[in-house]
Amino acid sequence: DQQVKQNSPSLSVQEGRISILNCDYTNSMFDYFLWYKKYPAEGPTFLISISSIKDKNEDGRFTVFLNKSAKHLSLHIVPSQPGDSAVYFCAASQGYQKVTFGTGTKLQVIP
Amino acid sequence: NAGVMQNPRHLVRRRGQEARLRCSPMKGHSHVYWYRQLPEEGLKFMVYLQKENIIDESGMPKERFSAEFPKEGPSILRIQQVVRGDSAAYFCASSQGTGRIEAFFGQGTRLTVV
Repeated sequence: DQQVKQNSPSLSVQEGRISILNCDYTNSMFDYFLWYKKYPAEGPTFLISISSIKDKNEDGRFTVFLNKSAKHLSLHIVPSQPGDSAVYFCAASQGYQKVTFGTGTKLQVIP
Repeated sequence: NAGVMQNPRHLVRRRGQEARLRCSPMKGHSHVYWYRQLPEEGLKFMVYLQKENIIDESGMPKERFSAEFPKEGPSILRIQQVVRGDSAAYFCASSQGTGRIEAFFGQGTRLTVV
């Protein structure tokens, strides 16, 4: 039962344009959402998070949007840079319980 | 403040041997999570531990796998009688567990069963 879904396994974007990574979840009890970035042969690195009481959180070039009614969140990266090329994991948790990850989206930013 | 430390980074075992993966959480973190990433797949939750307690092991295979987080020392993920299908990258993460729940990950242990 995949409670957190990233339906796009890969995404290619031109440098300077916007990257939009999408994530859907099924568990309405999730109240905290996170995005992680992972380079090959390294562990995931926390990027940005959002609580269910908010619908937007911004940190520099990264913005996460949450649509609770649709059980959907997205990560916007603007402008995209070649160094952003990595696998991005969406994750969700309920309270302080385990974090459930999606299957990841591989982003390639083309110079 | 050192990050999450996992060792070894690479581990090769023959079928039937035991594999022990170690994870030292970040200083001040009392919650540890183990995840497995199979080739071409995402991160799969295995187990969530606090000091001396297993909180959630719903992602652990029923047989051959066990985990502990003793009062002193690192968390250990133990795989007995390894099989080829156990070959994967195993990631440990730690968090404070209260307030901030962003988990910080180690660099992983890549287990290869030959």
